[in-house]
Amino acid sequence: AQSVTQPDIHITVSEGASLELRCNYSYGATPYLFWYVQSPGQGLQLLLKYFSGDTLVQGIKGFEAEFKRSQSSFNLRKPSVHWSDAAEYFCAVGSSNFGNEKLTFGTGTRLTIIP
Amino acid sequence: DGGITQSPKYLFRKEGQNVTLSCEQNLNHDAMYWYRQDPGQGLRLIYYSQIVNDFQKGDIAEGYSVSREKKESFPLTVTSAQKNPTAFYLCASYPPAGTGVSRAFFGQGTRLTVV
Repeated sequence: AQSVTQPDIHITVSEGASLELRCNYSYGATPYLFWYVQSPGQGLQLLLKYFSGDTLVQGIKGFEAEFKRSQSSFNLRKPSVHWSDAAEYFCAVGSSNFGNEKLTFGTGTRLTIIP
Repeated sequence: DGGITQSPKYLFRKEGQNVTLSCEQNLNHDAMYWYRQDPGQGLRLIYYSQIVNDFQKGDIAEGYSVSREKKESFPLTVTSAQKNPTAFYLCASYPPAGTGVSRAFFGQGTRLTVV
């Protein structure tokens, strides 16, 4: 069965500092990997996704993530965070048969930004 | 614009009452999903439907029911059998495989509070 682990429940960083959110997955085949962001009381917005090809993927809002098969990881990074990045971030894994199988989400990492 | 609409945004019900959450999409997606979100637990799948008139239980289906009479609509009923119904509920739709659009689309959520 597929699973996703986000080991950090809550992370606090200073505005302007760099950020890395960790995500480890377990999946039997080639995974499709996603990062979503959720502002309080809102739905989820896709930040970026990895299906194949270049293992470093760029997303919206200046985020990027790197797929490392050997480590089963898909960590999210941003060089310099902004106060508006405060939100909850979810990593998710799906199958190559996307659209016919459900995504599995991690438990989320809440990001707090301090001035 | 295409999208998913959940209504209402906030819902209050007395304990022991059934309540139905609405989810409508105009994206022409076959697959629709209901998730429940609780603090520290991420998103858990309640029910999903891959085609009209068919639906499958997810990981936490007990105490919930759904119907899929139309492609556009996937309402979720929280029954009195659900032991702890207070939560944030998210509806999502997924495009079919092979369309070149491979990500989930989420509604804005409904926060249900049972008193």
